[in-house]
Amino acid sequence: AQKITQTQPGMFVQEKEAVTLDCTYDTSDQSYGLFWYKQPSSGEMIFLIYQGSYDEQNATEGRYSLNFQKARKSANLVISASQLGDSAMYFCAMREGSKGNAGNMLTFGGGTRLMVKP
Amino acid sequence: DGGITQSPKYLFRKEGQNVTLSCEQNLNHDAMYWYRQDPGQGLRLIYYSQIVNDFQKGDIAEGYSVSREKKESFPLTVTSAQKNPTAFYLCASRNHGGEQFFGPGTRLTVL
Repeated sequence: AQKITQTQPGMFVQEKEAVTLDCTYDTSDQSYGLFWYKQPSSGEMIFLIYQGSYDEQNATEGRYSLNFQKARKSANLVISASQLGDSAMYFCAMREGSKGNAGNMLTFGGGTRLMVKP
Repeated sequence: DGGITQSPKYLFRKEGQNVTLSCEQNLNHDAMYWYRQDPGQGLRLIYYSQIVNDFQKGDIAEGYSVSREKKESFPLTVTSAQKNPTAFYLCASRNHGGEQFFGPGTRLTVL
């Protein structure tokens, strides 16, 4: 079974509007972490936001917020006030196990391509 | 500035040749990782290293080899045994908080 599922291969959003990118995950671990990365056409992976499984509040970083619904095993990324520079691939990733163990590597979803329309 | 560098940015290889991709970090991170990305897909783990002189296979290690002689460096060799090496290769290092930071990548094409 897929550990990270991103069901939206591509999405359009109007500039200045908000958009939600979906991510569901599958794990039996109690301790895990969820990450979102942005990959522009240049190829580099840019870290956006992190949510730990024990964090009670949803993570926020500027225009990015993570809608964490633990019971539903979802970790959707919300981008507010979209900008043209937000057009990129977005990847959801999960680390199973504690963050202190470097052997607990990341598993990535297939990505969502976001296109912001002017 | 602290960060991760990868070289070269583009690499062309003839069939049957081994090539080595460079990854250097000055973030003082212990753990480093190599991922492969095929067009339109997510990242898959090739190898990772938690400390100097130690490394472990990831999900798709066949046809690849690594070394970790220095904390700052984690080179990846794509051997002739890798049957389909054309891909985008990303190196990452990990901080104590568990976040992975990526280099700019190397795009390898087999001619």
